[in-house]
Amino acid sequence: DAKTTQPTSMDCAEGRAANLPCNHSTISGNEYVYWYRQIHSQGPQYIIHGLKNNETNEMASLIITEDRKSSTLILPHATLRDTAVYYCIVNILAGGGNKLTFGTGTQLKVEL
Amino acid sequence: DTAVSQTPKYLVTQMGNDKSIKCEQNLGHDTMYWYKQDSKKFLKIMFSYNNKELIINETVPNRFSPKSPDKAHLNLHINSLELGDSAVYFCASSLGISPLHFGNGTRLTVT
Repeated sequence: DAKTTQPTSMDCAEGRAANLPCNHSTISGNEYVYWYRQIHSQGPQYIIHGLKNNETNEMASLIITEDRKSSTLILPHATLRDTAVYYCIVNILAGGGNKLTFGTGTQLKVEL
Repeated sequence: DTAVSQTPKYLVTQMGNDKSIKCEQNLGHDTMYWYKQDSKKFLKIMFSYNNKELIINETVPNRFSPKSPDKAHLNLHINSLELGDSAVYFCASSLGISPLHFGNGTRLTVT
């Protein structure tokens, strides 16, 4: 069972920041927060992950609250191509296999 | 130059048949996975192989048998196909604890 809760859907205007929230109140100390997205008819795509510090890469920023019970994925300048289902996943980093458990995700729709 | 490639992209077959889906990765990864996405869009892990050894085996009917001839390949064989097997099957790979790279899926339709 997924350990995260996300809104079912969100809309965002093109060019604006998209802020996608995720609750993971039962996260344990050694679990990371991962974000993936799935564009229609494609395989899931890794975006970013973090443990407790905020992270930023060329795709997005990840803000994790101090108590680690929730996080926000930020797409700083959303484009139409960012329309996708975004999955927030908590997972232990373990050698030999990452058993990612996907929930229902958030359908982000970026509009003109 | 696709990183994780699956064949075929579409597979339509009748109940009772046996079919295979192939997966290859050219990323030098040591772990490969099969995921199933059902009609409700839930993605669930089925199997994981690390260096050709099975390390994750979820509750999957034994009609499904993964086979890893080498680290770059993980094929999925399905015997006696049933209507409920209709889904999109995704192959993925990773290196150690790195994030997963997914293929673009194989849409299996059983009639």
